[in-house]
Amino acid sequence: DQQVKQNSPSLSVQEGRISILNCDYTNSMFDYFLWYKKYPAEGPTFLISISSIKDKNEDGRFTVFLNKSAKHLSLHIVPSQPGDSAVYFCAAVYGGRFGNEKLTFGTGTRLTIIP
Amino acid sequence: NAGVTQTPKFRVLKTGQSMTLLCAQDMNHEYMYWYRQDPGMGLRLIHYSVGEGTTAKGEVPDGYNVSRLKKQNFLLGLESAAPSQTSVYFCATFRARLAGGLTETQYFGPGTRLLVL
Repeated sequence: DQQVKQNSPSLSVQEGRISILNCDYTNSMFDYFLWYKKYPAEGPTFLISISSIKDKNEDGRFTVFLNKSAKHLSLHIVPSQPGDSAVYFCAAVYGGRFGNEKLTFGTGTRLTIIP
Repeated sequence: NAGVTQTPKFRVLKTGQSMTLLCAQDMNHEYMYWYRQDPGMGLRLIHYSVGEGTTAKGEVPDGYNVSRLKKQNFLLGLESAAPSQTSVYFCATFRARLAGGLTETQYFGPGTRLLVL
């Protein structure tokens, strides 16, 4: 039962254009959503997050949008740069009681920025 | 300040052999996690710990054991390795959710690549 889904395994975008990565979830209890970026042979690194009480969060070139009614979030990267080429993981968490901070990850989308 | 380190970086095992993967953190974080990453599967939680002396099962715990005898170390053991355990293993840490909400995120180590023949 995949609670967090990234249906596009790969995406190619021209440098300077907008990259849009999508993520869907099924568990309405999730209260935070996160995006991680992963380069080959490295561990994932945190990129941006959004609380379920918001519908948008911006950080420089990165913006995450949350549509709770559709259980959908997206990551926008504008403008896309060659260094953005990586695998992007969507993740979700619900706090529950103390001690239940488990992230559920999507399967990842490999983004390739074409110079 | 090394953050999260994992030992070893790469290992080849034969079926039936045992080994222990070590995760060490110097951030004084309460929570520690072990994930495995497989092609097309994302990261799946194996076991986790919410504090020294505690462990709990994650999504895919079978074939693995863990121990958290010291706050800064989280060990993942394979008692009898199987080819299905060929994967990349990531350790992660997290301080704790603060009263105002999730203000931090998990910090990941660089990974351990394990090949079981």
